[in-house]
Parts: sequence; structure tokens; C-alpha cells
Amino acid sequence: EAQVTQNPRYLITVTGKKLTVTCSQNMNHEYMSWYRQDPGLGLRQIYYSMNVEVTDKGDVPEGYKVSRKEKRNFPLILESPSPNQTSLYFCASSPRLAGVSTDTQYFGPGTRLTVL
Amino acid sequence: TQLLEQSPQFLSIQEGENLTVYCNSSSVFSSLQWYRQEPGEGPVLLVTVVTGGEVKKLKRLTFQFGDARKDSSLHITAAQPGDTGLYLCAGLHSGGSNYKLTFGKGTLLTVNP
Repeated sequence: EAQVTQNPRYLITVTGKKLTVTCSQNMNHEYMSWYRQDPGLGLRQIYYSMNVEVTDKGDVPEGYKVSRKEKRNFPLILESPSPNQTSLYFCASSPRLAGVSTDTQYFGPGTRLTVL
Repeated sequence: TQLLEQSPQFLSIQEGENLTVYCNSSSVFSSLQWYRQEPGEGPVLLVTVVTGGEVKKLKRLTFQFGDARKDSSLHITAAQPGDTGLYLCAGLHSGGSNYKLTFGKGTLLTVNP
């Protein structure tokens, strides 16, 4: 089954304790992205990756890191989490077909993170 | 940052009523996508509109892309409780090395039986 998986689905942690949220897709997609979703603010892009070893900042990258060492995986790293990073996080992927502007983004199920 | 203004933010209607959700921007987009998100799940794509003036229908849902490709609307006819959810529009800028999807804040629709 074609899908985007995220782990963990729920995480409660404390300020300053490094954490990683994993994201994996099995559709051989080039493009992967991380979003956070907050009430009243909608979905905001954190980082995205056009391909392996190619990553770039989205709209709200502060406090986050990413890596894209292989095509299928795009982990989100919080080196020193703070309470303002409490949010619902989504990973997404799309084929990003060249010259096509109708790509579908496939979203993971979300990771609800609470930083105390 | 290109902004997408979505309205209304909340909508509560009775089963059988019609409704329209709007998505507006000052930017021109390569395409505009509509997603629906249910509680506890990620957004799921409903439709993509690409050409200015394009109209697409998905059963009781009608999507329209503005002539200038800056705005879009979603119209639901005879809404049903199963239509309840968060509707998100997203504008895509795509070309060369540029690829960015910008989301509106969403419209939370509740259809009461």
C-alpha cells in the first residue's frame, strides 16, 4: 500500500531533550516536506526536500533540522525542543513530476508533540 | 511569503443546505489544490485546478479557479453530515527549481443532521 508513515504518532517530552520524528514514504517520491499545524494558523511549512541531499527552509524553520540521506526517509530533528514547538506535525511527499503542476501531496497521519 | 486567505473560517449549516468556501490571494499560482482533513488524520487531496476559469465537479462539490489564477471557490450542494471536516486550499508555485505549496488556514465545516 502506497503511504507516508510517521513515528511516533504521539510524543510528550520536556524542554531541551533532543527528539527525532521519523518520516518514510514507499512511493519513490522526490519531494518531501514537513508542516506544522496550529489552531488559527493553519498548515505552515517547516522544511522541504527536492531530492536526496537537497533540503531548504520553509516558512517556519527555526528550531528544526532535517536530513535527506536517502530518498524514502526525511526525519525531523528538534535539537532542543521548547514549549512553542508543541504542535501537530505532518510529513508529506509528492512525485514532483517535471513540468507538471498537478502533483498530489500525500500526507502522513500526523505526530502530536507536546513539549512541557 | 505568499498568503492565501480562506473564508469563512467556520461554517455550521443544516443538512441539505448549500455553501461556498472562498480562497483568495494576490499571487498567481501554477495550480490550486483543495484538501479535506478529518480529525486525527492528514489532509487528503480532493481536486487540483490548473487553468484559469476551470471548473471541476466531484459529485456534489464544484471547484472553480479564477480567471487570473489567484483565487478559487468550493461550492457544496445539498450538504450532508459526511461532508463535515476541515477544508484547505493550497496554492502551488511550480517552475524550474521552484516548488512551493502554500496553504490557507482552512474552513471548518459542520453539517448538522
